[in-house]
Amino acid sequence: QVQLVQSGAEVKKPGASVKLSCKASGYTFTGYYMHWVRQAPGQGLEWMGWINPNSGGTNYAQKFQGRVTMTRDTSISTAYMELSRLRSDDTAVYYCARAQLPAIAAAGGNYWGQGTLVTVSS
Amino acid sequence: DIVMTQSPDSLAVSLGERATINCKSSQSVLYSSNNKNYLAWYQQKPGQPPKLLIYWASARESGVPDRFSGSGSGTDFTLTIGSLQAEDVAVYYCQQYYSTPFTFGPGTKVDIK
Repeated sequence: QVQLVQSGAEVKKPGASVKLSCKASGYTFTGYYMHWVRQAPGQGLEWMGWINPNSGGTNYAQKFQGRVTMTRDTSISTAYMELSRLRSDDTAVYYCARAQLPAIAAAGGNYWGQGTLVTVSS
Repeated sequence: DIVMTQSPDSLAVSLGERATINCKSSQSVLYSSNNKNYLAWYQQKPGQPPKLLIYWASARESGVPDRFSGSGSGTDFTLTIGSLQAEDVAVYYCQQYYSTPFTFGPGTKVDIK
């Protein structure tokens, strides 16, 4: 069965960076785009970008350009999302979500990780 | 960016009654070459990740009860819960995946009256 298991909660100081992982199993990792979505406490969902695990190609929301880097390690079926120059308003639960359709970025996410809480506080 | 709006912000419906949530996009999400609307609906319960309910605006994801249905085209969409059950209490989001950034609506909270 498809599973996405994310790394554990992080506490960071403003200005620091955080790198989250999302380990996939139960399907061909390189066959499906991976999206990253975040949710601030009590707020809605915010799409951050996607990575093509096959090519390593990425597409980031303009809002995060210059601060976010999405990578992958195909040997261990793991996607990563690094966010730099953290601010207090980056405090959120960060989710990875596998695209529903193979080899297509433009699709909903039908499998989601459990989420990783990142707290940014001095 | 395509802006997604939802209405109402929240609604309370009696068990067994119908719940209707509306979603509007600031520009069409209908891709003319394949006649598909790039619009999804999600359900999110507290402490859980979102769950995909509907894709292509009206296609039900595998395992989703048939009381959930999606309709609409272009810029106006609706999620209908045909007969509300207690387990349907959640926040519902629409999302367009027509163009990046793949924006979400602000969410609609559904409760039991």
